[in-house]
Amino acid sequence: QKEVEQDPGPLSVPEGAIVSLNCTYSNSAFQYFMWYRQYSRKGPELLMYTYSSGNKEDGRFTAQVDKSSKYISLFIRDSQPSDSATYLCAMAKIQGAQKLVFGQGTRLTINP
Amino acid sequence: DAGVIQSPRHEVTEMGQEVTLRCKPISGHNSLFWYRQTMMRGLELLIYFNNNVPIDDSGMPEDRFSAKMPNASFSTLKIQPSEPRDSAVYFCASWAGTESNEQFFGPGTRLTVL
Repeated sequence: QKEVEQDPGPLSVPEGAIVSLNCTYSNSAFQYFMWYRQYSRKGPELLMYTYSSGNKEDGRFTAQVDKSSKYISLFIRDSQPSDSATYLCAMAKIQGAQKLVFGQGTRLTINP
Repeated sequence: DAGVIQSPRHEVTEMGQEVTLRCKPISGHNSLFWYRQTMMRGLELLIYFNNNVPIDDSGMPEDRFSAKMPNASFSTLKIQPSEPRDSAVYFCASWAGTESNEQFFGPGTRLTVL
């Protein structure tokens, strides 16, 4: 069993919809949670970073962590075609970016 | 800053040939990571270096894979001999250290082994 599980999709939604992306994990030692966005033929880029449980909001994006359930989510409000990308969750046990464990990534398409 | 630079961007080779992938991290970053990405397995960490020293190579699939970082501005990932199952996109990433939460990824090298 993988340490981090993420549904690879693909997920296709109409423009303006609310998108929910999720990951589950098995290792309770994970303390730091990230979402990376990867456009086609590009490297991943950090989108959101959170520590421990709780919510973090940045514009149209909200990251949510529930450590009791070992479950993290990324919500995208008012989705735009430019949000079409693969979204990867990533986790770390210690502060900083070393030794990240990534989910498989969910491929998202926003249809105009 | 030009970001993380990888070369070549695409590599097509035949089974049994040696392949060398190259990476130049962001200046001043003291950690470098090599990843492999496939549809089946996602993004996997192969090896990472701190201050040019290999710290964790537990993700290197087998002895055919080797990585070096002779100085702070250059690293190579070598596959010898290459096999079709090595076909993947290989990413290099660099990290500034504990003051930063972000690994910066290069554009990747798409490797096809025939």
